[in-house]
Amino acid sequence: QVQLQESGPGLVKPSQTLSLTCTVSGGSISSGGYYWSWIRQHPGKGLEWIGYIYYSGSTYYNPSLKSRVTISVDTSKNQFSLKLSSVTAADTAVYYCARDGGDGYPIDYWGQGTLVTVSS
Amino acid sequence: EIVLTQSPATLSLSPGERATLSCRASQSVSSYLAWYQQKPGQAPRLLIYDASNRATGIPARFSGSGSGTDFTLTISSLEPEDFAVYYCQQRSNWRYTFGQGTKLEIK
Repeated sequence: QVQLQESGPGLVKPSQTLSLTCTVSGGSISSGGYYWSWIRQHPGKGLEWIGYIYYSGSTYYNPSLKSRVTISVDTSKNQFSLKLSSVTAADTAVYYCARDGGDGYPIDYWGQGTLVTVSS
Repeated sequence: EIVLTQSPATLSLSPGERATLSCRASQSVSSYLAWYQQKPGQAPRLLIYDASNRATGIPARFSGSGSGTDFTLTISSLEPEDFAVYYCQQRSNWRYTFGQGTKLEIK
């Protein structure tokens, strides 16, 4: 059973960089075949895809966030990470990490989510 | 970008009733559409993939249908635990999109 767990600060100051890590257990990122994603949900709102990474390091980002987003992978730790720069209150959300099998495939595993609040 | 539009935004029904939720895509996604259920404070859970296939452990009262641009999620007889928010989602051309969600509430 694959499990994903987000970790990182729950409070970030405006203009700073939000950094989160997702630790994967029960499966290896480096085995390939899956894409590792970040998705967020603003309070009381719907789901917004941020971007994803393949084990090789190939990344794809939501065009609306692309200028501020960096997703990286550390296969030795079986982790992948999100950095979102120049945050504002509009970036306050629950951030989920997740896994899917590529185009046409669903998201089959999700982390539990972590609330990040942007506030001074 | 493919836009997914869900309707209705809110659906008020009683336990035992049948629920029909709709998801319309702005262009064809073939059958590559998934449905998720989300309860308060929880991550979404995969219900249906490839428009009509139930995910592992999902009860038979959940069914999906459709292809191309029009899709339906049907819950044949609502149980108390089915009242939640439902999202449709597609992934194509290296991008995800989600519908805005349908809230299924107890009448």
